[in-house]
Amino acid sequence: NAGVTQTPKFRILKIGQSMTLQCTQDMNHNYMYWYRQDPGMGLKLIYYSVGAGITDKGEVPNGYNVSRSTTEDFPLRLELAAPSQTSVYFCASSYSTGGVTGELFFGEGSRLTVL
Amino acid sequence: KQEVTQIPAALSVPEGENLVLNCSFTDSAIYNLQWFRQDPGKGLTSLLLIQSSQREQTSGRLNASLDKSSGRSTLYIAASQPGDSATYLCAVSPDRDDKIIFGKGTRLHILP
Repeated sequence: NAGVTQTPKFRILKIGQSMTLQCTQDMNHNYMYWYRQDPGMGLKLIYYSVGAGITDKGEVPNGYNVSRSTTEDFPLRLELAAPSQTSVYFCASSYSTGGVTGELFFGEGSRLTVL
Repeated sequence: KQEVTQIPAALSVPEGENLVLNCSFTDSAIYNLQWFRQDPGKGLTSLLLIQSSQREQTSGRLNASLDKSSGRSTLYIAASQPGDSATYLCAVSPDRDDKIIFGKGTRLHILP
């Protein structure tokens, strides 16, 4: 099993450009998450999804959009990139049932720089 | 609002010592708590998951405990090795909320 796969691993964007970070999991997990990690700040939740067709905002959703058309894929869209979006982005997934979240599996991360 | 705190932010200990990492959370209404390891430039790897009904979990040299009522968890690492050097993060799954909340982590350095 590949687990959680993120692409690209690295990307440099100019201010105002847009891009999509891809995330795919092959574990048939229903829950998927996008976090960003800034130095010394821990992980902040951007968006999450509890199943195909369902998404919800996390702590820091501004400037981002997501969609969940399939169980496997959870892309994160950055519109009008700003320097404040320079960060490392992590996608994660878990199998949750009855309101109880299972073990969380992470991708390797996507390092984004906005200049 | 649930908040997760990990103290200290960084820790250096000589190889072979037993050590304890701390995690505290403000709201005891949680479903579970997880401990993760993160190596530089890498993603997070789950180490241990403790359900709210459990008191502890063990995996090899690692033992995690959970005291829900006091809002605390500890990760005990026995006979530390240089390969244990990494950042360790804890995360809680709040009751009736799908958002998993992370602490900022403890950066551990094992001195050879």
